[in-house]
Amino acid sequence: NAGVTQTPKFRILKIGQSMTLQCTQDMNHNYMYWYRQDPGMGLKLIYYSVGAGITDKGEVPNGYNVSRSTTEDFPLRLELAAPSQTSVYFCASTVRTGAEAFFGQGTRLTVV
Amino acid sequence: KNQVEQSPQSLIILEGKNCTLQCNYTVSPFSNLRWYKQDTGRGPVSLTIMTFSENTKSNGRYTATLDADTKQSSLHITASQLSDSASYICVVSPTTSGTYKYIFGTGTRLKVLA
Repeated sequence: NAGVTQTPKFRILKIGQSMTLQCTQDMNHNYMYWYRQDPGMGLKLIYYSVGAGITDKGEVPNGYNVSRSTTEDFPLRLELAAPSQTSVYFCASTVRTGAEAFFGQGTRLTVV
Repeated sequence: KNQVEQSPQSLIILEGKNCTLQCNYTVSPFSNLRWYKQDTGRGPVSLTIMTFSENTKSNGRYTATLDADTKQSSLHITASQLSDSASYICVVSPTTSGTYKYIFGTGTRLKVLA
């Protein structure tokens, strides 16, 4: 049982490039989330999904897009990378709202 | 505004010593409060969960307490070990209908020295 798997673990992007952060979970959780963690700050919600085909914006969605075509996968897309998107990104899933969140290992992204 | 504040920001203790981390929140009403442990370079992992009606919850050497009247929680670590070196994050889940938001504190970074 792998839990939540994120790829890649590290990435350096140039300004204006695009990339997709992959997230997959094998716990059959309906709820999935993308967070970013900046130094000295609490995790901020970027996007979330309550089930396949349903996504919604969190606190800091600008510059990002998501899709949820299956229960297992919840990729995060950066279209035009900016230095402000330098951060550590975490994907998480829960069986229901308010339940224990299971996190991936994170993706450390640097935009230069 | 729903907020979760933690103190201290960082803490250094010697192996074998006890310590207590604090969490103050303004989230109301809330469904539950969790403490997560985040090792360097890893995602957070849940340590304890308490509902608003619970006062204390233990998980091995970790004991969390909750005072819903003063909106405070604490995490007490007994007989610290080197492996306790990590960030500890307090997370509150609001009960507001339709919200899927978890309110995260900024964390306390604990360093245990040999």
